[in-house]
Amino acid sequence: DAGVIQSPRHEVTEMGQEVTLRCKPISGHNSLFWYRQTMMRGLELLIYFNNNVPIDDSGMPEDRFSAKMPNASFSTLKIQPSEPRDSAVYFCASSFRRANTGELFFGEGSRLTVL
Amino acid sequence: AQSVAQPEDQVNVAEGNPLTVKCTYSVSGNPYLFWYVQYPNRGLQFLLKYITGDNLVKGSYGFEAEFNKSQTSFHLKKPSALVSDSALYFCAVREDTGRRALTFGSGTRLQVQP
Repeated sequence: DAGVIQSPRHEVTEMGQEVTLRCKPISGHNSLFWYRQTMMRGLELLIYFNNNVPIDDSGMPEDRFSAKMPNASFSTLKIQPSEPRDSAVYFCASSFRRANTGELFFGEGSRLTVL
Repeated sequence: AQSVAQPEDQVNVAEGNPLTVKCTYSVSGNPYLFWYVQYPNRGLQFLLKYITGDNLVKGSYGFEAEFNKSQTSFHLKKPSALVSDSALYFCAVREDTGRRALTFGSGTRLQVQP
């Protein structure tokens, strides 16, 4: 079974440009998470969905960030406009939410560099 | 609120020696505790979890962790370290109630010397 698939793996863009990161969760999983990893702040939860519905978006930095999950097999994280401080590795993870006990399965990450 | 602390940025151990990576947590209710490992330029991989039951949990690659409720700790251990265990290790916690996602610690880099 394929794991969580993220694209692109690497993205280099200029400040002010729109960035879209994509994620395909593991089939059958009903929860999807977006995390951001930086040296300074570690691993931060941005948003998570349960059954395609956003449950907690308190970690989304500001209005420049938006996330969608139009169906059970696809999610996007969009940054518009991008800024240099958005440079980070963005991870998508999925799980089968079973009384909060299910472990997360992570994708390989999307490394974003904003110049 | 839920939080987790990993007090050591780095742990150095010689190959063949036992290793311990420390983790303490704080939750309002009962904790669900997890350990993950991250190799360079890779995503996090699940190692083990504690949900309920036996305080000693065994996981992948010979790792185990001990849940200690009185000390609010969940230290990761391995009896004999391998050079290939060198990686970044994350402890994570979530409460047993509510809708919070996993909260991760800052990570501990394990360096196993040959």
